[in-house]
Order: sequence, then C-alpha cells, then structure tokens
Amino acid sequence: DQQVKQNSPSLSVQEGRISILNCDYTNSMFDYFLWYKKYPAEGPTFLISISSIKDKNEDGRFTVFLNKSAKHLSLHIVPSQPGDSAVYFCAASNNNDMRFGAGTRLTVKP
Amino acid sequence: DTGVSQDPRHKITKRGQNVTFRCDPISEHNRLYWYRQTLGQGPEFLTYFQNEAQLEKSRLLSDRFSAERPKGSFSTLEIQRTEQGDSAMYLCASSLGDRGVSDGYTFGSGTRLTVV
Repeated sequence: DQQVKQNSPSLSVQEGRISILNCDYTNSMFDYFLWYKKYPAEGPTFLISISSIKDKNEDGRFTVFLNKSAKHLSLHIVPSQPGDSAVYFCAASNNNDMRFGAGTRLTVKP
Repeated sequence: DTGVSQDPRHKITKRGQNVTFRCDPISEHNRLYWYRQTLGQGPEFLTYFQNEAQLEKSRLLSDRFSAERPKGSFSTLEIQRTEQGDSAMYLCASSLGDRGVSDGYTFGSGTRLTVV
C-alpha cells in the first residue's frame, strides 16, 4: 500500500525561479512529514520537516506547506540553484513507521 | 564521527549465494534502520533496532533475510539463497531515540546488490 505518493517523477526549472515539489498521503495518523534530498551515489539527506499540527515551516530557501484537509504537502525552493539538482523524497512518519514516496528528480538549469 | 558507514558499497553475487552487509551507525544513535530501495522507488522499510533489540520487521523481510545488532553498535543484514529480485540498494540509517521521527534519519550511502 502506497501511503505516500509523489506523482511527478521529474521537474525542471530555471535557476533563480521557484521549484515546487508536491506530495500526497493517505494516512491521517502521520505525525510528521519530512523531505529528504538525494544526490547520486549517496544516501538520502534530511532537509526539512513539519509537524502535523503546523501548516508551514521555513528554513532559509526551503519552505514546506501542509494542507491536512487535502492530505497534501509541498516543498518550495526559492530561489532555485543548480546545486539543488537532486532527487527529493517526501516522507511521513508515525512513531517508528516512516514511509517514503517514489521521489521527484529536480533539475535546475543555469 | 563520520556519519553512517556501510560496507561494501557494491556487491555482485550469483543467484543462490549468501551475502552479508554491514552498517556502522553514528556512535551515539541507539536506533538503527534497514531500508531497501529499487529503481524508481523510494526507500522501503525492512527492520529496525533499538540498541540490540530488533523491534519491528516488515513483511518484506522474508525468511531468507536476517538482521542482527549484537552489541547495540554495528548491524549486519544477511540474505541467504539470493534471488534476482533481491537486487536493490540496501540503505542503513540511524537516529537518536525517536528524534528521527521529526529530525529525520541519518542515512548511509547504501550497498548496491546485484544478483546475476
């Protein structure tokens, strides 16, 4: 059962513009939602998270928005930089159960 | 501390052989997780340890798979009688208590297994 879904396998944006990565989930019991970033030949690296009781969390160029009624979250990167090019995984956790989406490959063009 | 280390980085084995992977977590992290990732998919949970106790196993972890963390430090994942469907990236992660739920896990670079 795929409880966390990232429906866009890839996204391409121009340097300096906004990147918006989307994620949907089905289980309303998740406590936290997280975004990880993965470069080739490396493991995923934690980027930012949001509690289920919040609707926004910001860390520098990265902002995560949570819409609980729609069971949807998004990651905004602004301004996008070429070094942001990577695969981004959305994850949702409840106690020790962390589920991941299939990932979105972001390409930021100079 | 150099983060989570996994060994080997790559393993090619013939079908039917046994393989063992090792994970060294961040030293102060008491929780250790194993995930499997196949092409085009996100990491899938296999099992996790708190200290030396294996607290949860996924139904993905068939009888051919066994994981240990004998002294609550490093962990090993063994696959017996490998099958081609076992080909995947095996990721290890660690966290300090349940802080990983909100602060994220620290992942290693993974072991890529190819069964021929």
